[in-house]
Amino acid sequence: GAVVSQHPSWVICKSGTSVKIECRSLDFQATTMFWYRQFPKQSLMLMATSNEGSKATYEQGVEKDKFLINHASLTLSTLTVTSAHPEDSSFYICSARSLDGYNEQFFGPGTRLTVL
Amino acid sequence: DAKTTQPNSMESNEEEPVHLPCNHSTISGTDYIHWYRQLPSQGPEYVIHGLTSNVNNRMASLAIAEDRKSSTLILHRATLRDAAVYYCILPRAGTYKYIFGTGTRLKVLA
Repeated sequence: GAVVSQHPSWVICKSGTSVKIECRSLDFQATTMFWYRQFPKQSLMLMATSNEGSKATYEQGVEKDKFLINHASLTLSTLTVTSAHPEDSSFYICSARSLDGYNEQFFGPGTRLTVL
Repeated sequence: DAKTTQPNSMESNEEEPVHLPCNHSTISGTDYIHWYRQLPSQGPEYVIHGLTSNVNNRMASLAIAEDRKSSTLILHRATLRDAAVYYCILPRAGTYKYIFGTGTRLKVLA
């Protein structure tokens, strides 16, 4: 089946630093990837849609200058949390939309970000 | 966004069938219904999807009401590994963007 990886699986950083999270589709090409965040005991919240070769589109209320998204190839999208603060601590999950089949999404394992 | 409504939690005994309901009364005619499940500290895992007809795969069955305003995910024999949060998802109208509801937390009793 289609596999999506994320790196790192967890990261701890100091307040004010930037953190980059990678999302890769390992065995398929994905023109569209999605980024979600999930707080404890809550559901996934869509943050942004990442399109290969074009600018990402952000959901209402998500700061595009804080969460920088780059989708440089058909298998890689990155999310950079800039000037991270403790309130950015969360579980970040990406998904990739397959062009095969019925356009279902395949999710990565998630990245746990803790900002001290 | 089309809204889905699921019970917050359900319990099942191991080896018994489980029926997880989902209401989606605002679904449009071309929306697929997707089901995913999420184990703690993991990304969601695809379970099944369908449009109008009932669907079966190795993991589960999906029964879709004739008016498409509700659906039921059926796990034929629940195991302890099936304990997870199950999400019934509709894409945002005209897009492929998934909008997650609160999901159903399934507890499987040994």
